[in-house]
Amino acid sequence: EVVMTQSPATLSVSPGERATLSCRASQSVSINLAWYQQKPGRAPRPLIYGASARATGIPDRFSGSGSGTEFTLTISSLQSEDFAVYYCQQYNNWPLTFGQGTKVEIE
Amino acid sequence: EVQLVQSGAEMKKPGESLRISCKGSGYTFITYWIGWVRQMPGKGLEWMGIIYPGDSKTRYSPSFQGQVTISVDKSISTAYLQWGSLKASDTAMYYCARTATNWFDSWGQGTLVTVSS
Repeated sequence: EVVMTQSPATLSVSPGERATLSCRASQSVSINLAWYQQKPGRAPRPLIYGASARATGIPDRFSGSGSGTEFTLTISSLQSEDFAVYYCQQYNNWPLTFGQGTKVEIE
Repeated sequence: EVQLVQSGAEMKKPGESLRISCKGSGYTFITYWIGWVRQMPGKGLEWMGIIYPGDSKTRYSPSFQGQVTISVDKSISTAYLQWGSLKASDTAMYYCARTATNWFDSWGQGTLVTVSS
């Protein structure tokens, strides 16, 4: 099983600042990596797939990068609606696996 | 508009059986996989398994193999997740989600399952 490790567990950021979230895979997953945003009491929302492609309707302040085992989600200028938990998911190998999440909170 | 609508919250006792559902609309149901994801209280997302409605081909996470059954009725565009004997540790929110290439592009609203004596 591919283990996905996200860091940090919690990220404190002020509105308008940049946030950088990391996701590391225990073995190469090529670019088969997705990112999701989840707000309390809501279903996850897809943000990024293929490591860097934005899902439908996602604003361009969200960007993804990386390949192999190291991936990054960057939010260029945090808006109030961006404070949430973010998960990465690899889909290169069975079973599909998620990271444990990074909570982005208001500093 | 693509929609996945899940059945309502359930409260069950240990040992009881349960089937929850996920109805797809707004797209050709049989051409996308439907996956199930568990989220225990205050915890992260766990992939449980996936089914292809076109031929009912199914894959399970080893963590859930034998613990749950995923099925589909393509005539009514509905996927199911079922338990034969619930445990307290099955208490969680369960999401269904659609995928073409194993990342999930549309999610249901979630079904909360509470198992308590």
